[in-house]
Amino acid sequence: EIVLTQSPGTLSLSPGERATLSCRASQSVRSSYLAWYQQKPGQAPRLLIYGSSSRATGIPDRFSGSGSETDFTLTISRLEPEDFAVYYCQQYGRSPDPFGQGTRLEIK
Amino acid sequence: QLQLQESGPGLVKPSETLSLTCTVSGGSITSNNFYWGWIRQPPGKGLEWIGSIFYSGSTYYTPSLKSRVTISVDTSKNQFSLNLSSVTAADTAVYYCARRADYVWGSYPFDPWGPGTLVTVSS
Repeated sequence: EIVLTQSPGTLSLSPGERATLSCRASQSVRSSYLAWYQQKPGQAPRLLIYGSSSRATGIPDRFSGSGSETDFTLTISRLEPEDFAVYYCQQYGRSPDPFGQGTRLEIK
Repeated sequence: QLQLQESGPGLVKPSETLSLTCTVSGGSITSNNFYWGWIRQPPGKGLEWIGSIFYSGSTYYTPSLKSRVTISVDTSKNQFSLNLSSVTAADTAVYYCARRADYVWGSYPFDPWGPGTLVTVSS
């Protein structure tokens, strides 16, 4: 069973800054089937990135994903006020399909 | 546009069985390419994948809950369901249903999701 570890737990940045979030897998993720979700309070998670680097429909290009095997990164190039939320990674290449524990992106 | 909606009791007593249904609208649950999943989130905590089902009945469960979980599908109602037995306060969470896809050319993660429903386990 793959375990996903996200870092940092909390990231404090200002609007306009660049955010870099990490997701590390305990085993290689098959075919880079790694997704990133954004969740705001009281809302269901929203898919941002799939296949490690492909943006989901309607996701702004300031969001980008990269990585392979066991190391993956979500980058937000220039933070907008609406980007402050919790971000989760998930692998879906091989059941079970676990999530990381999340990174909280908060306004500094 | 595909939409999912969870429904079921908001309060369940300890040791009883939690039962939820996800109704799928705007598309068929019997597509060969889709898996239907349940995910939960305890208050203030992270997401936990519970399990998924293919419309034909093949199921996949997270190991920690496997002994208590059953996911089933009702194609006549375009619904799938979650049963979680012997619940405790630790099962209190928002429960989400969602769809993921597998095609010949690749797999896709959970999207879309239902809005979620809070289930509290308490006497």
